[in-house]
Amino acid sequence: DTEVTQTPKHLVMGMTNKKSLKCEQHMGHRAMYWYKQKAKKPPELMFVYSYEKLSINESVPSRFSPECPNSSLLNLHLHALQPEDSALYLCASSQEPGSLSEQYFGPGTRLTVT
Amino acid sequence: QKEVEQNSGPLSVPEGAIASLNCTYSDRGSQSFFWYRQYSGKSPELIMSIYSNGDKEDGRFTAQLNKASQYVSLLIRDSQPSDSATYLCAVGAGTALIFGKGTTLSVSS
Repeated sequence: DTEVTQTPKHLVMGMTNKKSLKCEQHMGHRAMYWYKQKAKKPPELMFVYSYEKLSINESVPSRFSPECPNSSLLNLHLHALQPEDSALYLCASSQEPGSLSEQYFGPGTRLTVT
Repeated sequence: QKEVEQNSGPLSVPEGAIASLNCTYSDRGSQSFFWYRQYSGKSPELIMSIYSNGDKEDGRFTAQLNKASQYVSLLIRDSQPSDSATYLCAVGAGTALIFGKGTTLSVSS
């Protein structure tokens, strides 16, 4: 089973709202990722968690705040977003950290910022 | 700057034909290579991973890797309309993956 789940599927939020995206995997994977994907573009890496610790932050603005409460869960807290932040937000996980390990994506959260 | 290049397409093939998708990469030290399929509005789905030179087959899909030429390809045999999607090539670079921009494949019935 290579299932990664994400909630919500869709989210519309105003620029002053605070919301959170959630990601869960029960495959025992030790690395989890957040990506952002705009239309007709490839996924862009935002954050990497390795063994529940933040290992990579790709210079993402502070209005995006990741959190890894335990080895199965990954959250992305959103605050004071801009309309240009509207995108598909993808969570992924891999057995081990590092680029040798296959990454499996969740279905994504379609975010619209109004 | 590490780069992964793909022809954006669209690549159009008739049903039953072989579709050939190509990808080149700039980092000679890369050791892992992945193909993802992404339907419109959906998330990327891992199709194949390949780590060694040569061919790797899985059903109708064959991935080919040539590290000397820094080239990786995906062949889809007996293409079906359901194969119509964007195919993303991803190359391992350190702790992350670098994605190409994707090739759009259209299979006509």
